[in-house]
Amino acid sequence: ETVLTQSPGTLSLSPGERATLSCRASQSVSSNWLAWYQQKPGQAPRLLIYGASSRAAGIPDRFSGSGSGTDFTLTISRLEPEDFAVYYCQQSSPPWTFGQGTKVEIK
Amino acid sequence: QVQLVQSGADVKKSGASVKVSCKASGYTFTSFSIHWVRQAPGQGLEWMGWMNGGNDNKYYAQKFQGRVTFTRDTPASTVYMELSSLRSEDTAVYYCARQVNLGSFDYWGQGSQVTVSS
Repeated sequence: ETVLTQSPGTLSLSPGERATLSCRASQSVSSNWLAWYQQKPGQAPRLLIYGASSRAAGIPDRFSGSGSGTDFTLTISRLEPEDFAVYYCQQSSPPWTFGQGTKVEIK
Repeated sequence: QVQLVQSGADVKKSGASVKVSCKASGYTFTSFSIHWVRQAPGQGLEWMGWMNGGNDNKYYAQKFQGRVTFTRDTPASTVYMELSSLRSEDTAVYYCARQVNLGSFDYWGQGSQVTVSS
């Protein structure tokens, strides 16, 4: 099983700032089968990025993903008020696994 | 439009079983796999397994093997997740999600709250 470790646990930033979230895998993620999700309280997760760097439909271009192998990054170029949420990475080699999440909170 | 609509909240006693439904619409049901993910209160996302929408292929996470069963009703475009021998640690919101590109999940159900009481 591939363990995903996200850092930091919490990121305190102001609107307009840049957010950089990390996801490290315990073994290489096949063919970049790595996705990122956003979750707000009381809501289901929302797909942001798949294939490590492809934006899902309707996702603003301030969200970008990068990385390969065992190290992946989600970057939010300029935080909007609606971006404060919890973010999860996920890998898709069976068994699928999620990271523990990074909370982006308002500073 | 694509929708996954889940059954409502349920309260069960320890040792009982619960069955959660996930009705798909807006796409060809048999062309996509459905996954189940749960989230305990204040915790992260935990993957439980998946079921192919077009055949009987399924995969259960090791943690749940022997306790979880996925079934489907193709004419009704509905997938079911049944979890048995419930314990308090199974109290969580259970989600179904559709698998698409490179193993990601593009549509999610609204979640079904399952509460296990002793």
